[in-house]
Amino acid sequence: RKEVEQDPGPFNVPEGATVAFNCTYSNSASQSFFWYRQDCRKEPKLLMSVYSSGNEDGRFTAQLNRASQYISLLIRDSKLSDSATYLCVVNDSEGRHDMRFGAGTRLTVKP
Amino acid sequence: EPEVTQTPSHQVTQMGQEVILRCVPISNHLYFYWYRQILGQKVEFLVSFYNNEISEKSEIFDDQFSVERPDGSNFTLKIRSTKLEDSAMYFCASSATSGRGHEQFFGPGTRLTVL
Repeated sequence: RKEVEQDPGPFNVPEGATVAFNCTYSNSASQSFFWYRQDCRKEPKLLMSVYSSGNEDGRFTAQLNRASQYISLLIRDSKLSDSATYLCVVNDSEGRHDMRFGAGTRLTVKP
Repeated sequence: EPEVTQTPSHQVTQMGQEVILRCVPISNHLYFYWYRQILGQKVEFLVSFYNNEISEKSEIFDDQFSVERPDGSNFTLKIRSTKLEDSAMYFCASSATSGRGHEQFFGPGTRLTVL
């Protein structure tokens, strides 16, 4: 079975901390990778796509290691508003639209 | 900023009844999706829809489920005879393109409760 695995956490960190989340995926044919965040009882919201070369968006940095089938998300200078569940999302193969979600990693940022 | 909308926000139904969940995707998007999330579990893909037909569906999407785009704006999910285990949050999503980098944008969801 093709799976997306994440450390469930929870991660409890103080404001200003740097925190990293990891994700592994089992299907080597996967082509598209994303990080979404989900607040309690809300919809997943796209945080960022993950590109082969790695990419950064403000305080957020995503990395992809295809050889190890591993994706990471780094959050620097964490804010209270970063508290959420972070979902690793992978498509099964190029041209397919069905996305596989990890179970999510819960982050709580405390004052 | 354009967004996906869904109605109703909460639907309560009796087991065995039919329900229709409605979605209005982002207006220039071409690909539409339904996902579900049982409370406390991961988001699960149900079906994708493009050019007025289903392009992929999961093993969850059995004969009890159907999708339709009845007009130029709405996208619906019908569950013919609801079961207790259909209780979940149902999310509609849409994307502008397919293939690599096709970001999907989600609606706020419909919470379905089957009694």
